[in-house]
Amino acid sequence: DTAVSQTPKYLVTQMGNDKSIKCEQNLGHDTMYWYKQDSKKFLKIMFSYNNKELIINETVPNRFSPKSPDKAHLNLHINSLELGDSAVYFCASSFTQGVTEAFFGQGTRLTVV
Amino acid sequence: GENVEQHPSTLSVQEGDSAVIKCTYSDSASNYFPWYKQELGKRPQLIIDIRSNVGEKKDQRIAVTLNKTAKHFSLHITETQPEDSAVYFCAAPWGSGNTGKLIFGQGTTLQVKP
Repeated sequence: DTAVSQTPKYLVTQMGNDKSIKCEQNLGHDTMYWYKQDSKKFLKIMFSYNNKELIINETVPNRFSPKSPDKAHLNLHINSLELGDSAVYFCASSFTQGVTEAFFGQGTRLTVV
Repeated sequence: GENVEQHPSTLSVQEGDSAVIKCTYSDSASNYFPWYKQELGKRPQLIIDIRSNVGEKKDQRIAVTLNKTAKHFSLHITETQPEDSAVYFCAAPWGSGNTGKLIFGQGTTLQVKP
């Protein structure tokens, strides 16, 4: 009965490859997010969607493209992976934008070699 | 600019002692202040939050205080236990309405020594 689930949990890939991370929430929330956590544990928002509509798009390289087929799903596709993309990526959802509890997925540890 | 400053970055206490982590935010319109706990290899999880209409909130051994004038809020953990060891993040919203986003502090690694 996982509230926010993302797959895969681990992803090891070579530079230049394209990869996707999938996220699904069964909480009925309208808002979903992608966060990046770097090696120093810093959590930074990348994207936010509200009811399938892109709301926040931080200064993220355009190699990163989120897609929300419906409000329960938010996937992240990354093109031409670089070494600096190595991090843990967390999907999250909340009832409303920014001012209610965010429920996080278990994270995807991406390692680019 | 959008910023949440969190201190200290690391904190080591003896079991049974208290721990205090402080955060300062920049957006005076912020009205929601959550604290998340992240255990090693796990996801961040909300442990307590406070809204701007109250100055303090308690839940068993944890409490959060808010000073809106000074734009800072603090997490207090009393009678610490080894299982409290984790990284703690404060957060505050930046912006309002549909474009508001949660900005996280840099995190505090708390170590509780048995």
